[in-house]
Amino acid sequence: GAGVSQTPSNKVTEKGKYVELRCDPISGHTALYWYRQSLGQGPEFLIYFQGTGAADDSGLPNDRFFAVRPEGSVSTLKIQRTERGDSAVYLCASSLNSGARGDTQYFGPGTRLTVL
Amino acid sequence: AQSVTQLGSHVSVSEGALVLLRCNYSSSVPPYLFWYVQYPNQGLQLLLKYTSAATLVKGINGFEAEFKKSETSFHLTKPSAHMSDAAEYFCAVNGNTGNQFYFGTGTSLTVIP
Repeated sequence: GAGVSQTPSNKVTEKGKYVELRCDPISGHTALYWYRQSLGQGPEFLIYFQGTGAADDSGLPNDRFFAVRPEGSVSTLKIQRTERGDSAVYLCASSLNSGARGDTQYFGPGTRLTVL
Repeated sequence: AQSVTQLGSHVSVSEGALVLLRCNYSSSVPPYLFWYVQYPNQGLQLLLKYTSAATLVKGINGFEAEFKKSETSFHLTKPSAHMSDAAEYFCAVNGNTGNQFYFGTGTSLTVIP
């Protein structure tokens, strides 16, 4: 079966531009997560969706970052006025259940964002 | 608060030798712990997880890890390294509510032929 997919795989943009990163979770998974992985670091949590709603967005670094999941499946991470410090790999994950402790999160291959 | 520390950002072993990757955790609640592997240009793949059942957890590709509460550790081992094991390995702990993982900084494993 298909895993988590993310598009694009690579995105190069200029400082100040707007970008959208897409995540398509495993079919039937209700929980969806976004993480950011900077060079040499482990992934850092950004936001968690349960269905259509953002249940926890405590990891979003500032109000330039926003994510949606309007139909409870595909999610889009949106970054406004990009800065060079936003350069990282953005990972999406999904899990079958409600995001309870112990649920396995299945990760996509990530989108590598480079802000020039 | 939850966190993990991975000791050794780079580990090199000879093919056929024991693999030992270290992870220590800090958790304000009984921890749920995970090991993921990341191959170049691929997503993280679950190796194994501990969710308060047996303390010795067996995973895929011959890896296993032992939960030791007294040492707050969850080290990953494999008796005999293969060339295909060369990758980045991440330890992670679940948060209080389960909806996020706290990852370590990763250990890059090199296998020498």
